[in-house]
Amino acid sequence: ELKVEQNPLFLSMQEGKNYTIYCNYSTTSDRLYWYRQDPGKSLESLFVLLSNGAVKQEGRLMASLDTKARLSTLHITAAVHDLSATYFCAVDMYMTTDSWGKFQFGAGTQVVVTP
Amino acid sequence: DTEVTQTPKHLVMGMTNKKSLKCEQHMGHRAMYWYKQKAKKPPELMFVYSYEKLSINESVPSRFSPECPNSSLLNLHLHALQPEDSALYLCASRPGPSTDTQYFGPGTRLTVL
Repeated sequence: ELKVEQNPLFLSMQEGKNYTIYCNYSTTSDRLYWYRQDPGKSLESLFVLLSNGAVKQEGRLMASLDTKARLSTLHITAAVHDLSATYFCAVDMYMTTDSWGKFQFGAGTQVVVTP
Repeated sequence: DTEVTQTPKHLVMGMTNKKSLKCEQHMGHRAMYWYKQKAKKPPELMFVYSYEKLSINESVPSRFSPECPNSSLLNLHLHALQPEDSALYLCASRPGPSTDTQYFGPGTRLTVL
């Protein structure tokens, strides 16, 4: 059974400082996805990481994937209030290249950014 | 059209009712998914539906039944639900089978009395 572990589960950030969220998973996969969820809302896709060493950046967020370590990180640079949300990583449990895949989500990291 | 739509937004039902949730996408995506999300928890996959076949999470009770009338529409039929089934039900679609992300609809907030 694939296990996806995120930490921390809660992160209180000060505006202007840098932070990292970690996503560890238990089985071989080179497909990892990051999502954001605002309270009471749906999930918004942030990043798609599809190979070892992949790095994607969008604004103050940067995600990377190390498939050998089975680890992805989401780095937040100079946090701002608008980044307050819950962040989920998800690993695709695909079996073959034509598999529709089944996403296994981490528990989520609730981020609160304060002045 | 670049979105997944879900109706209704909110649904309150009794344990003896039969209701349906609807999900629609017009992006030509080839797979659609139903997830259940409880408060402060991650989404849990219920069903994966491509127009070729249905894949079921075996832990999902039979009081939930999906239906895919065509490649753009996915329904979730609800019957004899329990209060613990109250949750946010999310539909998602995916362009292709391999590497694409999933695009989520806004969800239906379900309350079972």
